[in-house]
Amino acid sequence: GESVGLHLPTLSVQEGDNSIINCAYSNSASDYFIWYKQESGKGPQFIIDIRSNMDKRQGQRVTVLLNKTVKHLSLQIAATQPGDSAVYFCAERGGATNKLIFGTGTLLAVQP
Amino acid sequence: KAGVTQTPRYLIKTRGQQVTLSCSPISGHRSVSWYQQTPGQGLQFLFEYFSETQRNKGNFPGRFSGRQFSNSRSEMNVSTLELGDSALYLCASSLDPQGKGEKLFFGSGTQLSVL
Repeated sequence: GESVGLHLPTLSVQEGDNSIINCAYSNSASDYFIWYKQESGKGPQFIIDIRSNMDKRQGQRVTVLLNKTVKHLSLQIAATQPGDSAVYFCAERGGATNKLIFGTGTLLAVQP
Repeated sequence: KAGVTQTPRYLIKTRGQQVTLSCSPISGHRSVSWYQQTPGQGLQFLFEYFSETQRNKGNFPGRFSGRQFSNSRSEMNVSTLELGDSALYLCASSLDPQGKGEKLFFGSGTQLSVL
């Protein structure tokens, strides 16, 4: 079946370091990917998205990399700050229904 | 521009009862999707409405239903509540005229506890 998984359920980094959150997807036909950040008590917040015709996209302090050969997606956060502490979800769009399928999330813990 | 608004924020119900959750999308957004979030499960898609019509549906039993009004506001209903229905229910809106599931904007959710 369709699935999106994460390599690391918890990632702990020092403030100021760069963070890399990884995500594997299973549907080679997926053509759109998106990252969300969810802070405690809040709904998921859009971070960045990327289409399958691209392999890299940059935002403010964030970069998403897409490797279609190995079906891998990553989110890089530069100069990680305490406010970046949250659960990060990747999601893919693929299949007949075009709905987003979310992974189970990675907890990013930023140590001061 | 106001974000997605969900009410109520918290709900406590008992088994067998039914519940209705409300969602007001971002102004101009005509697509509203509902997700169930439980610890360790990520977000599970319930259904999506566009222009008052259900456009997509997830793999949930018929006890879960929804509707959308002409002003794009949406409600979801869960009948005959079970303990396993305890979850955070998230509503998301998007412009998405073609139903491509892109760039959803989420509300803060309704935390439902079934006792």
